Amino acid sequence: NAGVMQNPRHLVRRRGQEARLRCSPMKGHSHVYWYRQLPEEGLKFMVYLQKENIIDESGMPKERFSAEFPKEGPSILRIQQVVRGDSAAYFCASGTSVTGELFFGEGSRLTVL
Amino acid sequence: GNSVTQMEGPVTLSEEAFLTINCTYTATGYPSLFWYVQYPGEGLQLLLKATKADDKGSNKGFEATYRKETTSFHLEKGSVQVSDSAVYFCALSDHGYGGSQGNLIFGKGTKLSVKP
Repeated sequence: NAGVMQNPRHLVRRRGQEARLRCSPMKGHSHVYWYRQLPEEGLKFMVYLQKENIIDESGMPKERFSAEFPKEGPSILRIQQVVRGDSAAYFCASGTSVTGELFFGEGSRLTVL
Repeated sequence: GNSVTQMEGPVTLSEEAFLTINCTYTATGYPSLFWYVQYPGEGLQLLLKATKADDKGSNKGFEATYRKETTSFHLEKGSVQVSDSAVYFCALSDHGYGGSQGNLIFGKGTKLSVKP
């Protein structure tokens, strides 16, 4: 799973600022998933993307959150006007269409002051 | 909808004790089942998996058997070590997309602490 690269590992923002989290999937993987882990809780699915397409965003909050996976470059999870409740670890995972296994990055830990 | 329920922690054991972490699931169709482990400050790592009924996944001394009749996938290890201290997540994949892969649905996690 070391092949999924996330940055930054730690991000501190003040309320109202924007947070951008980046994820580069493992080589050869065309499926990217974003999960959020709140303190003392399990991971919750947010969004599933393939190149240039959002396949399932049923886990994304309706406002302030967006995600993209452009043809070139990493996948981006963007949170506008952050609030304290956005403080969490955000994990990216990638996979292929062949198996059900996902490979996770080490996560980006967002702290909103 | 699909869901995963696992025993709540924390679980505290002495070194060399036997470990069981219960996991049951609700799903339509035939999901794949997984155990992931998260060590402090790190991301999730796949520990083991099973893709069909009666399959047994195993890795690093851990085992889990896919029991369709009881909709369970309990994690076991015969003799735990201090280095096994981590949070363990049970998960299922419902193969919702293209018949091959769907998003993972996780249980809430069980924190294991092993004392020397």
